[in-house]
This record gives sequence, C-alpha cells and structure tokens, in this order.
Amino acid sequence: QVQLVQSGAEVKKPGASVMVSCKASGYTFTSYAFIWVRQAPGQGLEWMGWISANSGKTNYAQKVQGRVTMTIDTSTSTAYMELRSLRSNDTAVYYCARVAVGGWQLDYWGQGTLVTVSS
Amino acid sequence: QSALTQPRSVSGSPGQSVTISCTGTNSDVGGYDSVSWYQQHPDKAPKLMIYDVRKRPSGVPARFSGSKSGNTASLTISGLQSEDDADYYCCSFAGTYTVVFGEGTKLTVL
Repeated sequence: QVQLVQSGAEVKKPGASVMVSCKASGYTFTSYAFIWVRQAPGQGLEWMGWISANSGKTNYAQKVQGRVTMTIDTSTSTAYMELRSLRSNDTAVYYCARVAVGGWQLDYWGQGTLVTVSS
Repeated sequence: QSALTQPRSVSGSPGQSVTISCTGTNSDVGGYDSVSWYQQHPDKAPKLMIYDVRKRPSGVPARFSGSKSGNTASLTISGLQSEDDADYYCCSFAGTYTVVFGEGTKLTVL
C-alpha cells in the first residue's frame, strides 16, 4: 500500500534552517510528483511548491521562493524540503503529498511534521 | 496567488445536505477542470474526497459530490453524518506546476 512517512518534529531558532524528509513506499517512486503544503496553527493549507520525482524539476511558491529547496533522492525514494532563514511565522505543520498521475489531485499525504521556530 | 474564497463555516443537522462553495478566477477554478476537495479532521492529514471537479476516489461515500460553474466550484454533502464534522478545503490547478488552496470551511454537524 502507498505510504508517505515524514521525519519527526523539529524545534529551530530564528535564522536557522530545517530539512523535512518524506519517504515513499508502495509504488513506483519516479512515476509521480510531490507537492509540499504547510499549515500554520489554526490556519488553512498553503501550497509551498512542486517537484517531479522523475526529473527533479521544481516550481516554488513566490512566498517562499529564495528560502526553499525541494529535492529528490531516487535511491531511497525520499523527497526533501529545506527551508532556510526561518522566522517565527514559519511555525507550522509541513506535509508532503503525492500528485496523482495525469491530474493535480493529492491522493496520498504524509502524516505531517511540526516545525516550531522559537528563540 | 491568492487563496480561493470559501465560507468560513457551514452547518447542518444529521440527514440534511450542505453545500460549500469555492470561488476563484479564470486563472484557476474557471480555467481548468482540476478542482479537488479535501476533508481534514483535527490533528490529521487532509484526505482527498473529490477530484477533477466531480470524481470520487474509491472508498469515498456517494453522498459527497462536486460541481463547477464558471469560477465557482461546489462540494455538496448529502445525508450528513456526525463523522462529516471537519474542515474542508478546495484546491485548484493554477497553471505551470502550481496549485492554490481555498481558505477552508469548518463544517459543523449539529
């Protein structure tokens, strides 16, 4: 069965960087793409960017452009999202989600990773 | 990219029907038939309920349905059940490897 398992919660200081991983299993990894989404406490879902697991091609949201890097490791079927120069308003649960083939629906989601930015 | 507009909250009694709207622009909702809907219970990951405007993934009850007219998509839940009490988000393709989410709607089953 398809599973996306994310890394554990992180606590970071302002200005630091964080890397969240998303390990996929149960399907052909390179046949799909990923989207990263975040959700600040009590807030809605925010799209952060898209990455192809086949080519590594990316597209980032303007809001985090310049601070975010999404990468793929096909040898371990893992997607990564690194966010730099963290601010307090980056405190959120970060989700990876698989983009279905031939469409734009997010058919499987990771369990979420809480990143807390606090001095 | 601005978030799609959803009502902040809706409510209904068990057995009733509710409809949640999702308004965007010609560049997202109105421009593509790639609107999806997600259900999120507290402290849980979102779950896909509707995709491509009106298609249901396997396992999603038939009382969930979707539609679209112009720049507005809608999710209708018929025969409300207590487990439908959750937050609902629409999402639309917005061109060039971009998606945009709705603001989210809290559904309360009275």
